Amino acid sequence: SQKIEQNSEALNIQEGKTATLTCNYTNYSPAYLQWYRQDPGRGPVFLLLIRENEKEKRKERLKVTFDTTLKQSLFHITASQPADSATYLCALSVGSYIPTFGRGTSLIVHP
Amino acid sequence: DVKVTQSSRYLVKRTGEKVFLECVQDMDHENMFWYRQDPGLGLRLIYFSYDVKMKEKGDIPEGYSVSREKKERFSLILESASTNQTSMYLCASRNSGASYNEQFFGPGTRLTVL
Repeated sequence: SQKIEQNSEALNIQEGKTATLTCNYTNYSPAYLQWYRQDPGRGPVFLLLIRENEKEKRKERLKVTFDTTLKQSLFHITASQPADSATYLCALSVGSYIPTFGRGTSLIVHP
Repeated sequence: DVKVTQSSRYLVKRTGEKVFLECVQDMDHENMFWYRQDPGLGLRLIYFSYDVKMKEKGDIPEGYSVSREKKERFSLILESASTNQTSMYLCASRNSGASYNEQFFGPGTRLTVL
């Protein structure tokens, strides 16, 4: 079965810096990968999707990369703000109908 | 504005009680899901439904059942609640047709079983 690894330790950065979060997976390369944001006590909210044949995807201050050789996706937030503080989840689908979620990484942006 | 609503934000029940968690979506989505989320374990799929009256077991269905009588509503049932079912329960819906379609999540129900 697909195994997904996201750093369990919180990432602490200063406002204005670029935050980079990692999603590593084992076994088969997923057909697509999604990133979600989750605030405390709330449900996840979809941010970005990247497909296996795409290297990079951008949306405003967000950028996602997908390296099928390294079996890794990186999620970047440029010019980070305290309001970006949240837990970020990656979700992978290998072609099965249901995506598998990682455990998420907490991002804390300090003013 | 698309919406997934869950019947309760917080719920406290006693061991052995039958518990109903309700989820309603207003987006006419075919697919609906129930997850539980626990610290250190992430989101785990309990059950999902492709369409009305259809259901499939997820990764951790033991101790749970579901009902989907109408397209917009997906209910999670704990037949006899136990303390290890204390958790955050999240419902989600998704438009069918592409497995990469995003899931829309509800706000969650934090269930405590005493």
